[in-house]
Amino acid sequence: GQNIDQPTEMTATEGAIVQINCTYQTSGFNGLFWYQQHAGEAPTFLSYNVLDGLEEKGRFSSFLSRSKGYSYLLLKELQMKDSASYLCAVSHNYGQNFVFGPGTRLSVLP
Amino acid sequence: DSGVTQTPKHLITATGQRVTLRCSPRSGDLSVYWYQQSLDQGLQFLIQYYNGEERAKGNILERFSAQQFPDLHSELNLSSLELGDSALYFCASSVGTVTSRGGEQFFGPGTRLTVL
Repeated sequence: GQNIDQPTEMTATEGAIVQINCTYQTSGFNGLFWYQQHAGEAPTFLSYNVLDGLEEKGRFSSFLSRSKGYSYLLLKELQMKDSASYLCAVSHNYGQNFVFGPGTRLSVLP
Repeated sequence: DSGVTQTPKHLITATGQRVTLRCSPRSGDLSVYWYQQSLDQGLQFLIQYYNGEERAKGNILERFSAQQFPDLHSELNLSSLELGDSALYFCASSVGTVTSRGGEQFFGPGTRLTVL
């Protein structure tokens, strides 16, 4: 099976930088996705990592270390609209091949 | 707007009843996924179809079933409904499968099911 862990809640200040961690245990790893979900809305795709290293996309970056089963999402220049849940999801190549983590609820304060 | 449509947006029904949720994927996407999201739980993967065939199965109850039609739209059937089935049901689509970079999923707005 798979086990994905994320902090339940985080709080940060507008304009700051926040790092949301995700650890996972899985076999046949095929990639890691990050999604953003505002309350009551559908998740939206943020990033995809399959190789070790950092992927940068505007204010958002995502890092992966496959040997450590670890990823993080880095949000820079935080804005109030970044208050949302951030979901880490792992893809693997057998069975139930896509599993979402429990999500981290981020609150951005003025 | 993700390009994925789901109907209906809201559904209220009684225990023991049967409902059908419908999803139309983005144009060109071959994969359709169904998820359940309850208030106190995260996104639970139910089932995936790829080009009309079942590709992967998650924690889908035997009372639930799904199919993907030749035009690639999909339906999720929920029967013998229980109070605990009340949740937000999301459909998502992707070009390929999750095992490729084309596997990023685009989610529909969801169907909120309330079982009374």
